[in-house]
Amino acid sequence: GAVVSQHPSWVICKSGTSVKIECRSLDFQATTMFWYRQFPKQSLMLMATSNEGSKATYEQGVEKDKFLINHASLTLSTLTVTSAHPEDSSFYICSARDSQGGTDTQYFGPGTRLTVL
Amino acid sequence: EDKVVQSPLSLVVHEGDTVTLNCSYEVTNFRSLLWYKQEKKAPTFLFMLTSSGIEKKSGRLSSILDKKELFSILNITATQTGDSAIYLCAVSGGSNYKLTFGKGTLLTVNP
Repeated sequence: GAVVSQHPSWVICKSGTSVKIECRSLDFQATTMFWYRQFPKQSLMLMATSNEGSKATYEQGVEKDKFLINHASLTLSTLTVTSAHPEDSSFYICSARDSQGGTDTQYFGPGTRLTVL
Repeated sequence: EDKVVQSPLSLVVHEGDTVTLNCSYEVTNFRSLLWYKQEKKAPTFLFMLTSSGIEKKSGRLSSILDKKELFSILNITATQTGDSAIYLCAVSGGSNYKLTFGKGTLLTVNP
């Protein structure tokens, strides 16, 4: 299957700092990428849909000024958690939509565990 | 609002048993239903189903979709301890291809 990478896989930061997470589709082009967060023992919660070359679409209740998304190329989307606070600590996962060759499947990156002290 | 319900929420079996995981859904403009396996990290893709009645198989795992009754099942035969994971069902619908996830089924396979 297609490969999606995320960087970093793990980050600890101080409260008030910003953290950038990268999501890359390694062997396919993804016009659409998605950002999720997952709390322990819960399912994935969609935060936003990232479309290459346009503004991201945020789900209800997700602050767009706090979670900045940029999808500048067909293989890279970034999520920046601005002025992070302990309640932002979570597992952040991206997925990339592979629509080539008649398929339409989302592949997930390995996730980034963010801990805000 | 799109909705995906998985059952059971948790299941404990012995190695060698066969399990069936259920997923029912309500979604506007259904596109596809996907099954993922999540261990310690992010979900890994198992199957994508778009048509009713066509079974997809991969080794000991198989899945089928019923678009009339709006559900899917994931079967695992001859379970192994390595099958222990959370199995997530997700449905893609609407114009933006976003996935709606169920809460998952936690499968534990004991030796």
